[in-house]
Amino acid sequence: GDSVTQMEGPVTLSEEAFLTINCTYTATGYPSLFWYVQYPGEGLQLLLKATKADDKGSNKGFEATYRKETTSFHLEKGSVQVSDSAVYFCALSDLETALIFGKGTTLSVSS
Amino acid sequence: DAGVTQSPTHLIKTRGQQVTLRCSPKSGHDTVSWYQQALGQGPQFIFQYYEEEERQRGNFPDRFSGHQFPNYSSELNVNALLLGDSALYLCASSPRLTGPDRGYTFGSGTRLTVV
Repeated sequence: GDSVTQMEGPVTLSEEAFLTINCTYTATGYPSLFWYVQYPGEGLQLLLKATKADDKGSNKGFEATYRKETTSFHLEKGSVQVSDSAVYFCALSDLETALIFGKGTTLSVSS
Repeated sequence: DAGVTQSPTHLIKTRGQQVTLRCSPKSGHDTVSWYQQALGQGPQFIFQYYEEEERQRGNFPDRFSGHQFPNYSSELNVNALLLGDSALYLCASSPRLTGPDRGYTFGSGTRLTVV
């Protein structure tokens, strides 16, 4: 079945460092891809999405490009802030069905 | 404009008991999906309700059941609780049987602890 694999954390960075969180997927069709963020004690918030190959999703300085040839959707940010500390989930959906999530990557940013 | 509201926020139950969790969707949304998020894991899809019927179901046993009311709110019921049912239960709403592509909104969840 469809699945998502993302890099294990925790990822610990200093403020203004460059962030990459790797995500690869397995799917039989042509899924939409998502990054969700979960702040402590809160639910999930959609960070960005891409619905077809070569699309780039972006929001709040975060970016991810849908790479069909490498089945990847890596999350990047050029300069992280302490407020970016959270758990990040990569996910996919096929034919508008339910989301399939990766296990999540914890990001901790220190000043 | 209220988002997705879930209640209660926390609860503790004993093995073998039954529990009911509640969800009110975002205004304008009529489809509700439930997810289970075990500690340190990503959320897993339980089921989706639209027009008071279960439309899709994930790989969860029949102990997990649900209901949707005419006002679109929803309940998740879990019978014969096991320790492994301890998790954060998330509700997501969306408009007109659409899924995450068209605008999922998640609630903050109910933290269930089974002892």
